[in-house]
Amino acid sequence: DTAVSQTPKYLVTQMGNDKSIKCEQNLGHDTMYWYKQDSKKFLKIMFSYNNKELIINETVPNRFSPKSPDKAHLNLHINSLELGDSAVYFCASSQGHSGGRIYEQYFGPGTRLTVT
Amino acid sequence: KQEVTQIPAALSVPEGENLVLNCSFTDSAIYNLQWFRQDPGKGLTSLLLIQSSQREQTSGRLNASLDKSSGRSTLYIAASQPGDSATYLCAVNTNAGKSTFGDGTTLTVKP
Repeated sequence: DTAVSQTPKYLVTQMGNDKSIKCEQNLGHDTMYWYKQDSKKFLKIMFSYNNKELIINETVPNRFSPKSPDKAHLNLHINSLELGDSAVYFCASSQGHSGGRIYEQYFGPGTRLTVT
Repeated sequence: KQEVTQIPAALSVPEGENLVLNCSFTDSAIYNLQWFRQDPGKGLTSLLLIQSSQREQTSGRLNASLDKSSGRSTLYIAASQPGDSATYLCAVNTNAGKSTFGDGTTLTVKP
């Protein structure tokens, strides 16, 4: 039973296209995150949702729009894809976000996005 | 702004050696610190979580320490094995709800 799952695992697309990545967690966690890991392996937080509400939105182009239909799902939609968007995108979840604090995070397997 | 540095960037040791990985951070107002391993092409696996009030945590051959005042954490791996080869990442979580990762240490354990 996968705790945090993402689809698709690989995504190859052309510049200018719009694509979505889906994430689901079955841990009963309240908080979900999207991270981007670039070619240099540097991992950086993009968004954080707690109980379907956006709580962290780092300096990310507005072409990236997260959507949380319920607290077990957090999807990432990307418009007008650019070459620089090529990276591995990781979804994560944690038990809560009480008082702004992050509890132990559990990561999904990642989605490798390649923009050509 | 929190900055997290991991030293060394890469480490190669023979099997059986004990080793220490280092993580340093600039803002000591942290809530907790989490150590992960990442295998090539895979996601992150949580190894240990240390709360800001703790000084160390142990799991099997792994021991993580935290010195909040000096902004340092270490991950000690005892009796290393080839299966320990991976990239090890530390994540510092602040009271403001932000998680900052280091660049990682890539460990190779030679049989």
